Amino acid sequence: QVQLQESGPGLVKPSETLSLTCTVSGGSVSRGPSHWTWIRQPPGKGLEYIGYIYYSGSTNYNPSLKSRVTISADTSKNQFSLKLRSVTAADTAVYFCARGRYDSGTYYADYWGQGTLVTVSS
Amino acid sequence: DIQMTQSPSSLSASVGDRVTITCRASQSISRYLNWYQQKAGKAPNLLIYEASSLQSGVPSRFSGSGSGTDFTLTITTLQPEDFATYYCQQSFSTPLTFGQGTRLEIK
Repeated sequence: QVQLQESGPGLVKPSETLSLTCTVSGGSVSRGPSHWTWIRQPPGKGLEYIGYIYYSGSTNYNPSLKSRVTISADTSKNQFSLKLRSVTAADTAVYFCARGRYDSGTYYADYWGQGTLVTVSS
Repeated sequence: DIQMTQSPSSLSASVGDRVTITCRASQSISRYLNWYQQKAGKAPNLLIYEASSLQSGVPSRFSGSGSGTDFTLTITTLQPEDFATYYCQQSFSTPLTFGQGTRLEIK
């Protein structure tokens, strides 16, 4: 049973960098076939894919955020992280980390963290 | 990006009803379509992957069908715990994209 837990500041000032960490248990960020994923959900709205990192270190980002996003992994701590630069109020959202899998060509997120609300405000 | 459109956006039903939610893709996505259930304040929960495969532990009253651009999620014999918001998600290409959600409410 894979478990994920997000952590990080709940309040970030405009133009600063949002930094979140996801701690994984019951799985390894350094072994396949998992794709360690970040997804966000603005209050009262739908889900938006941010990106993922594969155990090999390869990454995939949503082009709408690519210029501002970095996802990385710390295998020694079995964690992966999200950095989103130059945030604005539009980045206020619940941020979820998730374990994604590609199975027969289809990707699905089968384990999720509980989510953490990040508010961008001065 | 592939756009995913769900209908209806909201739906009222009663316990014991059968409901169907539709998801349409802006281009063919083969069968690369997943369904999630999200309850208020919680993370989404995977119900169906690859259009019709039931995720382990999900009750058999949930089923999915479709291919190409048109997909459906059907819930037979609604239970009180099924009232939630449902999202479809395509994995044919990145960026992965979600439908806007269908809110299932108690009538």
